Amino acid sequence: SQQGEEDPQALSIQEGENATMNCSYKTSINNLQWYRQNSGRGLVHLILIRSNEREKHSGRLRVTLDTSKKSSSLLITASRAADTASYFCATDGKAGGTSYGKLTFGQGTILTVHP
Amino acid sequence: DGGITQSPKYLFRKEGQNVTLSCEQNLNHDAMYWYRQDPGQGLRLIYYSQIVNDFQKGDIAEGYSVSREKKESFPLTVTSAQKNPTAFYLCASSLAGGSPSYEQYFGPGTRLTVT
Repeated sequence: SQQGEEDPQALSIQEGENATMNCSYKTSINNLQWYRQNSGRGLVHLILIRSNEREKHSGRLRVTLDTSKKSSSLLITASRAADTASYFCATDGKAGGTSYGKLTFGQGTILTVHP
Repeated sequence: DGGITQSPKYLFRKEGQNVTLSCEQNLNHDAMYWYRQDPGQGLRLIYYSQIVNDFQKGDIAEGYSVSREKKESFPLTVTSAQKNPTAFYLCASSLAGGSPSYEQYFGPGTRLTVT
């Protein structure tokens, strides 16, 4: 079953602008992770936020988590053409009260940053 | 130079043939994973292994088989029973399995085309 759902499916912006991607999920989680994938490549881990954290920063990345709304957002500030990629959220969900630790990935947001 | 390697990058097979995809890691990680990615989609978990000589089915294990005889290696066999094997296959590893989850490190992927 699909746990994470990203929104929007595609985002096109100019260099220097901020990009915001959202992720919603259905069940309780232990943590939520964001990954980046350049076309035809493997995924690269960006940031992990635990269920008891509300916000986390890493360089130009800012991730928020709202467990009451079961949603997370990834903000990329001052975007660059090199940020063009697909971005995925992945949840480590709890099922039936038992943590199983597997990641469930959403379908991703395709970000295009125009120079 | 630590990381995960997958070979080959591109693989072509005739329908009805079994094919084995290689995945090797030198990160000393206990857990390894196989995912399938179809165009415009997120990742779906095929099999995962939390420790040597042990592995579990993921969400779409039918038509696939794995082995984990060595910590560094987690080969995936796509059998002729897999109805639609053409896809991009990604291998990943993490420090440990279980919950809460750790970040996963991905290989570059193998693109399998079956005709």
